Amino acid sequence: EAQVTQNPRYLITVTGKKLTVTCSQNMNHEYMSWYRQDPGLGLRQIYYSMNVEVTDKGDVPEGYKVSRKEKRNFPLILESPSPNQTSLYFCASSWGGGNSPLHFGNGTRLTVT
Amino acid sequence: DAKTTQPPSMDCAEGRAANLPCNHSTISGNEYVYWYRQIHSQGPQYIIHGLKNNETNEMASLIITEDRKSSTLILPHATLRDTAVYYCIVRLGSGNTGKLIFGQGTTLQVKP
Repeated sequence: EAQVTQNPRYLITVTGKKLTVTCSQNMNHEYMSWYRQDPGLGLRQIYYSMNVEVTDKGDVPEGYKVSRKEKRNFPLILESPSPNQTSLYFCASSWGGGNSPLHFGNGTRLTVT
Repeated sequence: DAKTTQPPSMDCAEGRAANLPCNHSTISGNEYVYWYRQIHSQGPQYIIHGLKNNETNEMASLIITEDRKSSTLILPHATLRDTAVYYCIVRLGSGNTGKLIFGQGTTLQVKP
């Protein structure tokens, strides 16, 4: 089954403790991206990747890092999480061209205390 | 990057057609119009997309105006399960297709 898998689904952590949220897709998609969703603010893009070793900033990249060493994986790294990064996070993938729908993961709810 | 404008909320009676508008007045010639929906806090789900022509699939119809500055998503027979937040976005067909702006979407409430 074609899918985008995020882990973990829920994560509670403390300020400053490095964490990684994983995202994996099994569709051989070139494009992958991360979004955060906060009440009243809709979905905001954090980072995206057009292919292996090619990443670029979205609208809200501060405090986040990403890497794309393999085509299927696009982890989101919070080196020093802060409470304002408490949010619902989604990963998505698609073929590289614009005529290609996004496939979203089921989300990761992160709480930073 | 072209942005979209949607009404924050709409109601629709169950069994009736739901018509959700989207304004994208700064759209460029090679940008596609996409619609997604999100039920509760699940991952957004793709509905339909188009470039110039109207499109229809098993879920919905997409009507794009001739000047492409606006579009309407039509759910022909809305059910209670169609209650969701609907997002209209535009995406470049080529070049830097990666940067996407979702906005806050339209909350559609389907009522019995």
